[in-house]
Amino acid sequence: KQEVTQIPAALSVPEGENLVLNCSFTDSAIYNLQWFRQDPGKGLTSLLLIQSSQREQTSGRLNASLDKSSGRSTLYIAASQPGDSATYLCAVNLNAGNMLTFGGGTRLMVKP
Amino acid sequence: GAVVSQHPSWVICKSGTSVKIECRSLDFQATTMFWYRQFPKQSLMLMATSNEGSKATYEQGVEKDKFLINHASLTLSTLTVTSAHPEDSSFYICSARPLRGRSTGELFFGEGSRLTVL
Repeated sequence: KQEVTQIPAALSVPEGENLVLNCSFTDSAIYNLQWFRQDPGKGLTSLLLIQSSQREQTSGRLNASLDKSSGRSTLYIAASQPGDSATYLCAVNLNAGNMLTFGGGTRLMVKP
Repeated sequence: GAVVSQHPSWVICKSGTSVKIECRSLDFQATTMFWYRQFPKQSLMLMATSNEGSKATYEQGVEKDKFLINHASLTLSTLTVTSAHPEDSSFYICSARPLRGRSTGELFFGEGSRLTVL
């Protein structure tokens, strides 16, 4: 059974810092991995999708990497802003059927 | 981008009543939608997979008679919590996979529906 772990569970940083969120998964035979953002009481916003054949994806200040062999993905946020404060979730998709397994999330607070 | 809408966003009901939550894909068709449940400060747990025109597939431990799922069209899936009780209070989120996105596997999520059962 696929298990997804995110470290740290919570993170507080001053504005402007670069930061890294970690995601690890136990079964390396994944189809893709997706990073989401969730604001309190809201749904999920898709940030980046990395296919199993890819090593990284970039969108603006966000960069996500994938190392299947070690079962790890990282989300790098450059020059963090208070508006980045949210919970970040990674989710692993084992096959094209899209049954996602979610990590516990990292609650990020960026202080002005 | 693809938009998924849920309605209602908030619902408060008395114990014993049934509540229907709608999930709509607004600008794309989705043969498959997924229903998740999220408890406070916890991650999402998949409840069931909803396939257009066929019965939903429920995850282990989820009562299909308690959580009725209907996926009557390519843009609408509904989750009905029957005879709701306080322990059913939770945040319910749906997601949909666009037909065009079948090769990428990207999923899009609704804004969630918070159910409070008194």
